Amino acid sequence: KAGVTQTPRYLIKTRGQQVTLSCSPISGHRSVSWYQQTPGQGLQFLFEYFSETQRNKGNFPGRFSGRQFSNSRSEMNVSTLELGDSALYLCASSLRPATNTGELFFGEGSRLTVL
Amino acid sequence: GEDVEQSLFLSVREGDSSVINCTYTDSSSTYLYWYKQEPGAGLQLLTYIFSNMDMKQDQRLTVLLNKKDKHLSLRIADTQTGDSAIYFCAGISGNTPLVFGKGTRLSVIA
Repeated sequence: KAGVTQTPRYLIKTRGQQVTLSCSPISGHRSVSWYQQTPGQGLQFLFEYFSETQRNKGNFPGRFSGRQFSNSRSEMNVSTLELGDSALYLCASSLRPATNTGELFFGEGSRLTVL
Repeated sequence: GEDVEQSLFLSVREGDSSVINCTYTDSSSTYLYWYKQEPGAGLQLLTYIFSNMDMKQDQRLTVLLNKKDKHLSLRIADTQTGDSAIYFCAGISGNTPLVFGKGTRLSVIA
């Protein structure tokens, strides 16, 4: 069974640009959660999608957005990039909604560097 | 909401036991989890404990839960160099997604 796949693995952008990250969950998993990981703040929850609906959103500005498609694949977008957006963005999938389970399966992450 | 605190670093010698500690704030947390992150990788679920349990053992891993003190620990017996990683404690309660501590970086010295 294939794991969670995130693309791209690495990317470099400049301030003001926008970026789209993609996540393919484990087959059969309908929940996709996104986390931002930085050395200073650790893992911070961005949002969760279940069956194409956003169920939860973390405390991030509106520049951070996401969506989920009918095949459960998810994308997140960050517009008007700032230096502080440099981070590892982790996607996690689960069978049940993420508020009902802590058994998350993580991808390897997309490392974003903003110059 | 839940808040989870961990010490940031731990260094042990190969073959010794490692104990990673965690405190949490939300007494209604139903499950508490330990995740492991190896360099350049995502997080991997190691084990979890239900809030009505005091202890759970899984091969070299032992989880202890003290609900009164809201303290969780992960003991790794016979620690190996392959155990070097960052270990995250996490809790879930109510309608909130999983909240992670900042992680404890375990270094195993050969």
